[in-house]
Amino acid sequence: DAGITQSPRYKITETGRQVTLMCHQTWSHSYMFWYRQDLGHGLRLIYYSAAADITDKGEVPDGYVVSRSKTENFPLTLESATRSQTSVYFCASSVSGTVISTNEKLFFGSGTQLSVL
Amino acid sequence: DAKTTQPNSMESNEEEPVHLPCNHSTISGTDYIHWYRQLPSQGPEYVIHGLTSNVNNRMASLAIAEDRKSSTLILHRATLRDAAVYYCIRALHIYNQGGKLIFGQGTELSVKP
Repeated sequence: DAGITQSPRYKITETGRQVTLMCHQTWSHSYMFWYRQDLGHGLRLIYYSAAADITDKGEVPDGYVVSRSKTENFPLTLESATRSQTSVYFCASSVSGTVISTNEKLFFGSGTQLSVL
Repeated sequence: DAKTTQPNSMESNEEEPVHLPCNHSTISGTDYIHWYRQLPSQGPEYVIHGLTSNVNNRMASLAIAEDRKSSTLILHRATLRDAAVYYCIRALHIYNQGGKLIFGQGTELSVKP
């Protein structure tokens, strides 16, 4: 089925290691987003992308790198993982970034639970 | 602050209506109000959104105050499957960047049989 998929579902890594979380969508949506979810903070926007090769920072971008060479993929890389990056990460997509528009909404993946030891 | 204010938790009985309040006193004229919900171990799911008028869809109704400083999500007949965290969100319109959803803490709704 078409949709937005994240991999891996669970990941355990060690401090200092590089980790890449994958996000793939089959709708050809222009916009893609990465959020992290932590107790006490709700969901916070890390990075977003308006189209291939166009990315921008969200609320909490430090320590993360993104790329978007193809419309359907939006990987998130932790270049040197820290314990504070232990979190659940959600990828989302929308037809456009103008979510103020009628019938516009975000579609979320099922999340990646990342533990940094 | 762009985030909304919601009660941390609410309880409801099955088959009864539920009114989930949200305060967004600093909202600007172009910001839509969105509601998403998150079931356990899943990503957030769109529920409804609106700007000024009340809105209805198959999942819920959204009542927006005349001054737009608050809104209420209405589940007409709660079921056990409606137990989730409900997020009230301002969709910020940023010039030349489109819109962003800024999530708050949400309200955890529990439904009793």
